Amino acid sequence: DAGVIQSPRHEVTEMGQEVTLRCKPISGHNSLFWYRQTMMRGLELLIYFNNNVPIDDSGMPEDRFSAKMPNASFSTLKIQPSEPRDSAVYFCASSLTGGEGYEQYFGPGTRLTVT
Amino acid sequence: AQKVTQAQTEISVVEKEDVTLDCVYETRDTTYYLFWYKQPPSGELVFLIRRNSFDEQNEISGRYSWNFQKSTSSFNFTITASQVVDSAVYFCALSGDNAGNMLTFGGGTRLMVKP
Repeated sequence: DAGVIQSPRHEVTEMGQEVTLRCKPISGHNSLFWYRQTMMRGLELLIYFNNNVPIDDSGMPEDRFSAKMPNASFSTLKIQPSEPRDSAVYFCASSLTGGEGYEQYFGPGTRLTVT
Repeated sequence: AQKVTQAQTEISVVEKEDVTLDCVYETRDTTYYLFWYKQPPSGELVFLIRRNSFDEQNEISGRYSWNFQKSTSSFNFTITASQVVDSAVYFCALSGDNAGNMLTFGGGTRLMVKP
């Protein structure tokens, strides 16, 4: 079975440009998570969707960041305008939601470099 | 609030040595779930194990074993007869019953296994 798919794997852009990261969760999973990983801050949860609805976006750094999940098989994370401090690896993860604390499965990540 | 502490930021061992990675957690939830993830140099995050708070049995999977102790709020991970391929960053994570499957990650422990 395919795991979580993310695209692009690498993105290099100039400050001020719009960046869109894409994620396809594992089929059948109903929760989707966007994380950012940097050396300084480690792994940070940005936003969490359940059944395509944003549940917690308290980790989204600022209004330049937005995320959507138009259907169960696709999500985007957009940064507009991008800044050098947004450079990081962005991970998407998916899981089943329930009282069993289901594990999250991570995609390969998108390495974003903003110059 | 939930918190996961991995006090060991880096550990270096020689191949075939046993090594234990420590994880201490804090939560007010009565039901919670603990996880370990591995992040090899290639960058992806790989799920290793999930443990429920009501199951304190230790678990062994090949050279990997986990020791869960509620009395000390610890969930330690031991690799027996370490191999160079075990070199990675290992993350401990916690999800509370009221957290909607959101994970709180520790800062990670970088394990270097030298030949």
